[in-house]
Amino acid sequence: EPEVTQTPSHQVTQMGQEVILRCVPISNHLYFYWYRQILGQKVEFLVSFYNNEISEKSEIFDDQFSVERPDGSNFTLKIRSTKLEDSAMYFCASSDSGPGGEQFFGPGTRLTVL
Amino acid sequence: LAKTTQPISMDSYEGQEVNITCSHNNIATNDYITWYQQFPSQGPRFIIQGYKTKVTNEVASLFIPADRKSSTLSLPRVSLSDTAVYYCLVGQTGANNLFFGTGTRLTVIP
Repeated sequence: EPEVTQTPSHQVTQMGQEVILRCVPISNHLYFYWYRQILGQKVEFLVSFYNNEISEKSEIFDDQFSVERPDGSNFTLKIRSTKLEDSAMYFCASSDSGPGGEQFFGPGTRLTVL
Repeated sequence: LAKTTQPISMDSYEGQEVNITCSHNNIATNDYITWYQQFPSQGPRFIIQGYKTKVTNEVASLFIPADRKSSTLSLPRVSLSDTAVYYCLVGQTGANNLFFGTGTRLTVIP
């Protein structure tokens, strides 16, 4: 069964450093998402991406964040200058049915900012 | 967005049927109801989605009364592996993102 994959599974970084989290969505999906979940808290929407541009973003997704689909398979989330409060699980998701449809989530990347 | 209210936690014995009810009094006409499941340290997984009446798939059933102000996820004969957090989401077709609440932590006891 096709699945969303994410790398790395765990990333440790120093405050102020840039990190890139990578995702490979399911191959025929066209809608891509990033969510995060701070330990013990809710899953929070960050951004949605379709047709090579951002469709929607939340208040969390400020200028420190960016997304890119550099090739036909990868979907990346970049955090330019990490803060302690960026420590969280970051989940990538993809969908073939667009807004409102089932989203398939990856296993997540645990980001730890020291 | 319609606010949802679910029990924070539930316990059940193996083999029992579990019903988790979600309240969404302010649901709008175009809103659909979706349930996701999340195991520890994993991403959420879609379980079921419905608009009205009853929907059933190989995993669960979703019961939605005529007024649509609540919905009930029914898990038949739960096993230990069903221990997870279950989220009820209410959103419009056309909405790009999912808004997760705090969910219901289901613990299945042997």
